[in-house]
Amino acid sequence: AQSVSQHNHHVILSEAASLELGCNYSYGGTVNLFWYVQYPGQHLQLLLKYFSGDPLVKGIKGFEAEFIKSKFSFNLRKPSVQWSDTAEYFCAVNNMFSGGYNKLIFGAGTRLAVHP
Amino acid sequence: DAGVIQSPRHEVTEMGQEVTLRCKPISGHNSLFWYRQTMMRGLELLIYFNNNVPIDDSGMPEDRFSAKMPNASFSTLKIQPSEPRDSAVYFCASSGDSSQETQYFGPGTRLLVL
Repeated sequence: AQSVSQHNHHVILSEAASLELGCNYSYGGTVNLFWYVQYPGQHLQLLLKYFSGDPLVKGIKGFEAEFIKSKFSFNLRKPSVQWSDTAEYFCAVNNMFSGGYNKLIFGAGTRLAVHP
Repeated sequence: DAGVIQSPRHEVTEMGQEVTLRCKPISGHNSLFWYRQTMMRGLELLIYFNNNVPIDDSGMPEDRFSAKMPNASFSTLKIQPSEPRDSAVYFCASSGDSSQETQYFGPGTRLLVL
């Protein structure tokens, strides 16, 4: 079965520090990859997504992610975090054969706390 | 578009009572998903529908949980009878058919069962 691993469950950073959140998935075929963000008390919102093409994907709010097929990874990065980036971040994966349709497999999430 | 609409936003009930959560997906979306989020278990997919038909309900915890989608613009998740361990935030999400479609989440229903 497919799985998504987010190795960092909690990350604490100071403002202006650089961020990298890890995401690894288990499926070896063609995948679609997503990062969602959930701000405190809110619902999940899409940060960025990768389907094909340039493996470096840029999303909203200065976030980017790099797809490395050989490492089954899709790590999220931001060069300089802000207090407002405090949130929980979820990596998700699907593919043409993930039960069909658009069933996403989510990672456990990483809670990021940014201190001023 | 108003996005995915869920009601109620908050629900407090007593153990044993029936709870019904409602969801209106984004117009034109063919797929609808119900998720549950707790601190202990994270985000869990309960069930999803495509063209109003349940495709995968393997995530539904037990027989106390049921979901319906009578038409393309409405779905319900019912818990009967409710238990304190059902306390969680329940999210509904919708998307188009393709695996490259984004899932859009609703604001969630925060359920507390006393």
